[in-house]
Amino acid sequence: GAGVSQSPSNKVTEKGKDVELRCDPISGHTALYWYRQSLGQGLEFLIYFQGNSAPDKSGLPSDRFSAERTGGSVSTLTIQRTQQEDSAVYLCASSLASGRVYNEQFFGPGTRLTVL
Amino acid sequence: EDKVVQSPLSLVVHEGDTVTLNCSYEVTNFRSLLWYKQEKKAPTFLFMLTSSGIEKKSGRLSSILDKKELFSILNITATQTGDSAVYLCAGRGDGGSQGNLIFGKGTKLSVKP
Repeated sequence: GAGVSQSPSNKVTEKGKDVELRCDPISGHTALYWYRQSLGQGLEFLIYFQGNSAPDKSGLPSDRFSAERTGGSVSTLTIQRTQQEDSAVYLCASSLASGRVYNEQFFGPGTRLTVL
Repeated sequence: EDKVVQSPLSLVVHEGDTVTLNCSYEVTNFRSLLWYKQEKKAPTFLFMLTSSGIEKKSGRLSSILDKKELFSILNITATQTGDSAVYLCAGRGDGGSQGNLIFGKGTKLSVKP
């Protein structure tokens, strides 16, 4: 497929468990973003990867959240010791980014996380 | 603190009506404003605006940016039930994360047959 893909599409977990969410960006897109969308809310920025640069983690809500991007492509968002307030849709987006030119972000279908 | 505010938060119209969605922004070193349509999960890109006063148009949708007054509008003419969605506005600046978008909470549009 040519779009951004995410897995799983839905994840139900128990409070206190760790979860991993995966994002496959569009091939060739150097920029990758993670957002969180709680019910009825806008998109909340979490973390941004650009090429080989150190990621911008300024949006991560706590140290329970972390993300990696291996080989400049696939990214994994990990939430440790999940809490009920972590329940949300987690969206990944990628874009072409060159220097100071930033193009539109293309979003994946998201992972709906429910913490019981 | 950067912020994007959309209004109204929700809107119900009938097919054939014309709607205007509003977006005001306060974004450090503003670069561009983007509109997305979100029907289920994945927002889909509509427009990116960088210059004031230049209307962007795609079918029945159009958008314009006013960099002096710091707002943008999205117009939809002759609405159809398929236009029902949440419309998200996002601003991009050079403050904070390079390339990061600051999203508003969205306007939920419901088009009744």
